[in-house]
Amino acid sequence: DAKTTQPTSMDCAEGRAANLPCNHSTISGNEYVYWYRQIHSQGPQYIIHGLKNNETNEMASLIITEDRKSSTLILPHATLRDTAVYYCIGNSGGSNYKLTFGKGTLLTVNP
Amino acid sequence: KAGVTQTPRYLIKTRGQQVTLSCSPISGHRSVSWYQQTPGQGLQFLFEYFSETQRNKGNFPGRFSGRQFSNSRSEMNVSTLELGDSALYLCASSLNTGSAYNEQFFGPGTRLTVL
Repeated sequence: DAKTTQPTSMDCAEGRAANLPCNHSTISGNEYVYWYRQIHSQGPQYIIHGLKNNETNEMASLIITEDRKSSTLILPHATLRDTAVYYCIGNSGGSNYKLTFGKGTLLTVNP
Repeated sequence: KAGVTQTPRYLIKTRGQQVTLSCSPISGHRSVSWYQQTPGQGLQFLFEYFSETQRNKGNFPGRFSGRQFSNSRSEMNVSTLELGDSALYLCASSLNTGSAYNEQFFGPGTRLTVL
């Protein structure tokens, strides 16, 4: 699985967009970029995933650079409940269920 | 639809004992994975079971074992507990449709404290 690098922490004002970057320069062509988040003392929660194209769902948008070496998770209107550790993970999918979590980014949304 | 359930939620054991943790996946999910989370090492993959067979394995000693039953429920066992085994143990289930994409749904975890 690809090694990912994320900032340790970020702050965001409530109601503003939160942009969380992730570097995954060693990602291979068949590896998806997954984003999960973990709110304190809870199990991780899936947010979104993508391979090459930008993706959007009800929770977030995922922007992947053309060379696939980095991506950005965008929470368009952050709320206090979005305060969590966000993990960017490279995974080939299929029968590979081993998610390799890094340290992630602690996003703190401030009122 | 009920989520992933784990029992017990909290557990206190002493060194040398063994422990069994249980996980019930979301109905219809056939893949169950286990993770260990500690402040020092973060979230680490233990193993994954599918159709009662261990399909993927992380880098943990043989004291950590698991199994899956025909109804997809899974248990993990840790024998000869050490202080360092104190952690949050998380279970995740997945539909395993055979597609490349495999979203995992995590349970709330079992907090194990070894004294």
